[in-house]
Order: sequence, then C-alpha cells, then structure tokens
Amino acid sequence: KAGVTQTPRYLIKTRGQQVTLSCSPISGHRSVSWYQQTPGQGLQFLFEYFSETQRNKGNFPGRFSGRQFSNSRSEMNVSTLELGDSALYLCASSLVLDRGDEQYFGPGTRLTVT
Amino acid sequence: QKEVEQNSGPLSVPEGAIASLNCTYSDRGSQSFFWYRQYSGKSPELIMFIYSNGDKEDGRFTAQLNKASQYVSLLIRDSQPSDSATYLCAVPGYSGNTPLVFGKGTRLSVIA
Repeated sequence: KAGVTQTPRYLIKTRGQQVTLSCSPISGHRSVSWYQQTPGQGLQFLFEYFSETQRNKGNFPGRFSGRQFSNSRSEMNVSTLELGDSALYLCASSLVLDRGDEQYFGPGTRLTVT
Repeated sequence: QKEVEQNSGPLSVPEGAIASLNCTYSDRGSQSFFWYRQYSGKSPELIMFIYSNGDKEDGRFTAQLNKASQYVSLLIRDSQPSDSATYLCAVPGYSGNTPLVFGKGTRLSVIA
C-alpha cells in the first residue's frame, strides 16, 4: 500500500507570495493533519481534516488555511509569506482519527522563504 | 494542554549496546503512546505504539509503559549506527485540539 505523498517536496518563495501544498493520504485513510516543523519549535499542529471538514485548528494566523477534498486529498495554503514561514510542512494521515489512532507522515514539503 | 517531556540528548551509546529513551507525560488519562523516529532532514516514521501497561516488543525495539508513573520508554537492543536519529514520543491530544502532542525529541547517536 502506498504511503502518504506530498507535493512539491521543495519550494523556494519570496516574501509576500503565496503557496499551496498538497497531500494525498494512505488509501482508505480519511483523516489528514498538517504540522509545521522548525528546529526551534519542534512539531506544531496546523489543522486537521476529516470528511472534508476542518475538525481542529492550531494556533496559527489566518494566513494559513487548508481544505480537504472528497477523495481525502488535502491542500494547505499560506498567503503573504513571511521569512518565519520557512519550515518543513508535514502531512499525516490516519484511518479515522479517534483520539489514539496512529498517524503516518508523508515526506514533507520543505519551504524556504527568501 | 497536555505536555510530553523528553531529554533532548544527545544520548550516545556504543554500537551493540542497549539505548534507553524515556518520555514522561502530564495527562494521567492518556491511553495510547507513540514513538516516531526522525532522521535528519526526513519526516517522522512511526516505529512503535503501545496502549497497555507493560512491554511491547517488535524486533530490536521494546516499548515500556508505566501508567502509574506516567512514563513510557523505548529500548533499542543491539544498537546500530543506522539507529542514530531523533526519537519523538507522542500522546493523543484533547478532543478539539491537536491530534497528537509531541515531545521535542531525544537525539540518539550510536558510535561505531
């Protein structure tokens, strides 16, 4: 069974631009979560989607948004990029996401903002 | 907010030794526990999960859970240089919050 895929793997953008990242979960998994990872802050939760609905949202500004499609694929968008948005963006999928389901991560998208 | 604490390391062990990684958590009601391995520049990889008190073994890895003391540990037997990575401990978050609460991770270095 194929794992979680994320595209693109690497991105370089300039301040003020916007970016869209894509995530395809493991086949049959209906829940997708997004995390931001930086060296100083560790893994920070962005948002979680299940059946096309955002169930939870982390403490990030409104510039960060996401959505999920009927096939469970998910996208996240960051508008008006700032230098501090440079990070590894990780998508994780799980079967249902009861509290306690295992989450499986994709390879991540490394975003560099210059 | 739940908290998960890990020693940041680095933890250095010689090749062939047992590496012991520890994690404590704040919420006594936590029911499931996860260990992820993350190589430098890569994404976290789920290597173990445990739900019940006691030990769970998978190959060279053993997860130990002690709910009374609120800690979970990961033992790596016969450590190899390829085990050198950061190990992240995670517990489920509260409903309405992050799905998983991660510790900051322990960096393990296995010396050949």
